[in-house]
Amino acid sequence: SQTIHQWPATLVQPVGSPLSLECTVEGTSNPNLYWYRQAAGRGLQLLFYSVGIGQISSEVPQNLSASRPQDRQFILSSKKLLLSDSGFYLCAWTGTDTQYFGPGTRLTVL
Amino acid sequence: DQQVKQNSPSLSVQEGRISILNCDYTNSMFDYFLWYKKYPAEGPTFLISISSIKDKNEDGRFTVFLNKSAKHLSLHIVPSQPGDSAVYFCAASAQGAQKLVFGQGTRLTINP
Repeated sequence: SQTIHQWPATLVQPVGSPLSLECTVEGTSNPNLYWYRQAAGRGLQLLFYSVGIGQISSEVPQNLSASRPQDRQFILSSKKLLLSDSGFYLCAWTGTDTQYFGPGTRLTVL
Repeated sequence: DQQVKQNSPSLSVQEGRISILNCDYTNSMFDYFLWYKKYPAEGPTFLISISSIKDKNEDGRFTVFLNKSAKHLSLHIVPSQPGDSAVYFCAASAQGAQKLVFGQGTRLTINP
């Protein structure tokens, strides 16, 4: 069966520091992968999606970037975090009829 | 531009009764709709979906209704159980399960 992993689970970072969040998927090949963010009291906002290695589409202009160095690995990065980057970050992959989400990373920028 | 809206931020229902969660959308290109359930500090889990060729889909205690003319869908949970207490998100897409657009969520509380 397919599983999706995210780490770290929680992260507290100072403003201006770099960020790297990792997502890996097991049990499937060539998945479409997604990064979402849920800000406090808000819905899920699509940040990036990828249909293959090295292929990244950005949905919202922002302080973040994404990369897909391997088929089942998706990385969310920032060179300098802003306070507004705080939130709950979710990685997802698309199955036959739905998207499956990872456990998420809670990022707090102070 | 909020293409998918859940206008009720919260809903409280007594255990055993019916819970009805509502969702409206504006983009007429959306043809696939999903409901997710989310507990705090966890990723959303898929509940049920419906294609625009249908107006109803059932799965156990969960039923989703789609009214295309009104651009409205609803999730019915019968009977409601304490474990149903969570935040529920509706989502829509014009590309199957790709590139979902989510509503803001509705927090459902089931009271014993």
